[in-house]
Amino acid sequence: AQSVAQPEDQVNVAEGNPLTVKCTYSVSGNPYLFWYVQYPNRGLQFLLKYITGDNLVKGSYGFEAEFNKSQTSFHLKKPSALVSDSALYFCAVRDVNSGTYKYIFGTGTRLKVLA
Amino acid sequence: SAVISQKPSRDICQRGTSLTIQCQVDSQVTMMFWYRQQPGQSLTLIATANQGSEATYESGFVIDKFPISRPNLTFSTLTVSNMSPEDSSIYLCSAGQGGATNEKLFFGSGTQLSVL
Repeated sequence: AQSVAQPEDQVNVAEGNPLTVKCTYSVSGNPYLFWYVQYPNRGLQFLLKYITGDNLVKGSYGFEAEFNKSQTSFHLKKPSALVSDSALYFCAVRDVNSGTYKYIFGTGTRLKVLA
Repeated sequence: SAVISQKPSRDICQRGTSLTIQCQVDSQVTMMFWYRQQPGQSLTLIATANQGSEATYESGFVIDKFPISRPNLTFSTLTVSNMSPEDSSIYLCSAGQGGATNEKLFFGSGTQLSVL
């Protein structure tokens, strides 16, 4: 069975500091991994994904994520946080070998960037 | 990319009634899904909407309670039937394409449902 864990309900970081939002996953096959962001009163927006290739993937708004197969992790990072990055972030996984397009989402991490 | 229009954006309904939520995508997509989200919490997949055939429901969700239609590649509806207060939630329509290069999901802005 597929699962995603986001161990932190909330992450606080000062503006200008680097940020990390953690995600670990479990699939029986090969994973496709995604990060989505949800701003207040808006739908989820795609940030970035890992499919194959380079373990470091870059996405929208200066975010990047590193795929670590041995640790089954896909942490979201940004070198310098902005107040406007404050939002709810979701990690998601799809097991490519499952034969289905079923995406499992984590419980979300609320990022709060303090001015 | 795809833009998803979902309506209504919110509704307040009486117990025992039904509500149909509509989802329109501005381009043809392979996949359409319906999720439920409690405010500030994770997304729970209700079902995959299959074009021209019965939806594929996840464990805990049944067709009699959540009938879904998808008559073509760009439109789907979700009905929440015989509502109770426990159905109060945000319902999200999602759509996307398969294939590694283009794979990603797009989401509607959601329908916030309150059942009295």
